[in-house]
Amino acid sequence: DGGITQSPKYLFRKEGQNVTLSCEQNLNHDAMYWYRQDPGQGLRLIYYSQIVNDFQKGDIAEGYSVSREKKESFPLTVTSAQKNPTAFYLCASSRCRVGQPQHFGDGTRLSIL
Amino acid sequence: GQQLNQSPQSMFIQEGEDVSMNCTSSSIFNTWLWYKQDPGEGPVLLIALYKAGELTSNGRLTAQFGITRKDSFLNISASIPSDVGIYFCAGKETSGSRLTFGEGTQLTVNP
Repeated sequence: DGGITQSPKYLFRKEGQNVTLSCEQNLNHDAMYWYRQDPGQGLRLIYYSQIVNDFQKGDIAEGYSVSREKKESFPLTVTSAQKNPTAFYLCASSRCRVGQPQHFGDGTRLSIL
Repeated sequence: GQQLNQSPQSMFIQEGEDVSMNCTSSSIFNTWLWYKQDPGEGPVLLIALYKAGELTSNGRLTAQFGITRKDSFLNISASIPSDVGIYFCAGKETSGSRLTFGEGTQLTVNP
């Protein structure tokens, strides 16, 4: 089945540590996205990429970094500069271009030890 | 950026009741989407709308693209316990390129 795979499902980070969240899709979608979800706040866009080797900041990019070396993969690194990283992180993808309906993975829940 | 107002924030209903929720924007949209999110999972696309006045059904769910192009509605008929979850609207401005998400409606269905 085609879909979006996020791993791990749960992730724990120590203070001052960088962590990388994985997102892989086999839908042959061009665009990929990372969102952060906090209770009662909906989805906030962190970064998005419309094509390999290109990405743009979303609304809350500070403290995060991404790469898009392959069409199928869009990993997100939560750096030590992100002071409040505890959240549910969702990866999504869409055909062709930004603005098309997005399909989501099942998320990674990041917690601070 | 663009804000979507989604209401109500939460709903508590009895099994068998009908449900209605809506989203409004301050600008004109050319795409409205409705998603459902179960606890601990990612949102799943329920219905996509692309034309003003469009009415689309998916089982017991019906969504409409408002004729003003600034709002959309989602109705669920004869609710069942598995309808529990968070329902999100999302839309794209005519002049924009990105999707904007509402803050969600938390639905609780009492058996």
